[in-house]
Amino acid sequence: NAGVTQTPKFQVLKTGQSMTLQCAQDMNHNSMYWYRQDPGMGLRLIYYSASEGTTDKGEVPNGYNVSRLNKREFSLRLESAAPSQTSVYFCASSEARSSGNYNEQFFGPGTRLTVL
Amino acid sequence: KNQVEQSPQSLIILEGKNCTLQCNYTVSPFSNLRWYKQDTGRGPVSLTIMTFSENTKSNGRYTATLDADTKQSSLHITASQLSDSASYICVVSAYGNKLVFGAGTILRVKS
Repeated sequence: NAGVTQTPKFQVLKTGQSMTLQCAQDMNHNSMYWYRQDPGMGLRLIYYSASEGTTDKGEVPNGYNVSRLNKREFSLRLESAAPSQTSVYFCASSEARSSGNYNEQFFGPGTRLTVL
Repeated sequence: KNQVEQSPQSLIILEGKNCTLQCNYTVSPFSNLRWYKQDTGRGPVSLTIMTFSENTKSNGRYTATLDADTKQSSLHITASQLSDSASYICVVSAYGNKLVFGAGTILRVKS
């Protein structure tokens, strides 16, 4: 099992360009997440998908859109990139997003995005 | 406001020595607390998960403790190895599975 995979690993964009970050998991998990990690800060949730066909905003959704293509794949799109979106983006998955259980999240290797 | 604070921000120790990392949280209602290890250029990997009723949990040379009354947790690393060099992230889960991440402690183990 590959776990959670992300593409690309690195990307440099100019302000105003668009791009899509891809994420796939092979653990048959129901829930998937997109986070961003900035220096000196904890990971922050951008969007999540509790199950196939549903998506919801997280803590910092502005400037992003997501698509839960199927149970395996969850993509993150930047329509018009801004320098403030320079960050490391992590995709994660878990069995379910229900209250009260451990709901361990498994993370991908990350995409390092620079917006000039 | 739900917050997780970790200390120290960074730490350098010699190979073979022990160290303890601290985590204080104000997340409510509390569900569980997790410690993750994040190697440079990689995603976080879970080390331990503890619920309200668990005081301590071990994973090899890693031992996590939890004091739910004082809302504090620690991660103790015994007999450190070069491969322990990483960022260690404390994550607190509130009911409804909202995760609150600490900024991490960067540990460097020197030979």
